[in-house]
Parts: sequence; C-alpha cells; structure tokens
Amino acid sequence: DIVMTQSPDSLAVSLGERATINCKSSQSVLHSSNNKNYLAWYQQKPGQPPKLLIYWASNREYGVPDRFSGSGSGTDFTLTITNLQAEDVAVYYCQQYYTTPSYNFGQGTRLEIK
Amino acid sequence: EVQLVQSGAEVKKPGESLKISCKGSGYNFAGYWIGWVRQMPGKGLEWMGIIYPGTSDTRYSPSFQGQVTISADKSIDTAYLQWSSLKASDTAMYFCARSAERSLSTWFDPWGQGTLVTVSS
Repeated sequence: DIVMTQSPDSLAVSLGERATINCKSSQSVLHSSNNKNYLAWYQQKPGQPPKLLIYWASNREYGVPDRFSGSGSGTDFTLTITNLQAEDVAVYYCQQYYTTPSYNFGQGTRLEIK
Repeated sequence: EVQLVQSGAEVKKPGESLKISCKGSGYNFAGYWIGWVRQMPGKGLEWMGIIYPGTSDTRYSPSFQGQVTISADKSIDTAYLQWSSLKASDTAMYFCARSAERSLSTWFDPWGQGTLVTVSS
C-alpha cells in the first residue's frame, strides 16, 4: 500500500495570507505511461462530505476558486491557498489513486484562521 | 445533476446486522465505480472498498476485507454496504462516492451526504 503523509497536521493562517499544505507519498504516483500524477485534494468542512478541489495533482475542479492550486510530482505535492478566506476553514486531505483499490488518504490537515 | 443520496442514520446494538444504501441519479449508474469511505468520530478518511455496478466487480481495501460486504443493484441504481455482526468500533460516518471517470484509476466526485452509524449497547 502507498502511505500518504501530510504536513503539518494543523495550521493557523491570517485572513488574506497564504496557506501551504504538503503531502508526501511513500512511492511515486507518477505514471510513466501518461506522465500524470495520480493525486487528488479534497476539502471537508464540519458536518459535510469531502469536496473535490484538485485532481491529477494540479487540475482545479470546475467551480473551485482559483486561489486554490496544486503542485508537485512523483512523491511530493503541495496544496496552496492564497488570499485565505474565512470559508476556507476546513480539513484538507490528499488521496492517491495510483494503486487500487486502496485509494489511501493522507491523515488530513486542519486549517484555521489566526 | 449527478447525485448520490444515502440512507438515514442508524442506531444498532452490538451483534446486530445492518445494510446502508447509496442511490445514484443523473447518470448511468452501472457505468461508474462506487466507493465507500469510513470516518470514525473526529478522525480522518479511510477507504473501504469499491464496486462496479455494471458487473458487480468488487474490490476491498485489505483492512476491510471480510469485515463488510459491498454490493449493488443496478436495476434500482443503488449500492450497499453491510455488516453481519456490528461492533462498537463500527461507530462512524460512512460516505459513498462515485468515480469521476469510468476507469478504476480515478478520483472521486460526487460524494453522498454520509450515513451515521452508531453501535451501542
């Protein structure tokens, strides 16, 4: 199984500032056949199901604000939220879909307002 | 609109059986994978398993193999997650989610609203 490790476990950022969340996989999720990274990011607010933000490591889902961006390749990935808004308070998860059926998630990163 | 609607909250006793459901609408239900995810109270997301309703091809995460049964009835666009003998440690929120693409190697969107299962004597 691929183990996904996020850092930090929690962070507090001021409104309007940048938040950076990291995700590291125990083995590469870059597929050589198509040069794509099999990694997604989700946002989960209290009492709600997870919401897809990013797929293929850097493709923003339709309707997701452009202050959310994903980057990275191979084993190291980053979710960046610029101009942090109050509604961005949530837990964020990365997930690999390179090896199935264990689509393992990271442990989650809790984002709060400072 | 593509949508997954899950069955309501359940309160059960240890040893009882349970089957919860996830009904899809707005798309060809048989043609996309449906996965199940567990979220224990205050904890993160755990992938349980996945089913392709068109063929009932089912794959389980090793941690959940033998602990639950995933099934689907494509005639009524519904997937199921069931337990034969619940334990207190099965207390959790359970989400279903649809594969974004028809292949197995894909992200998941949309998600159901979740079903809270509480197991207590």
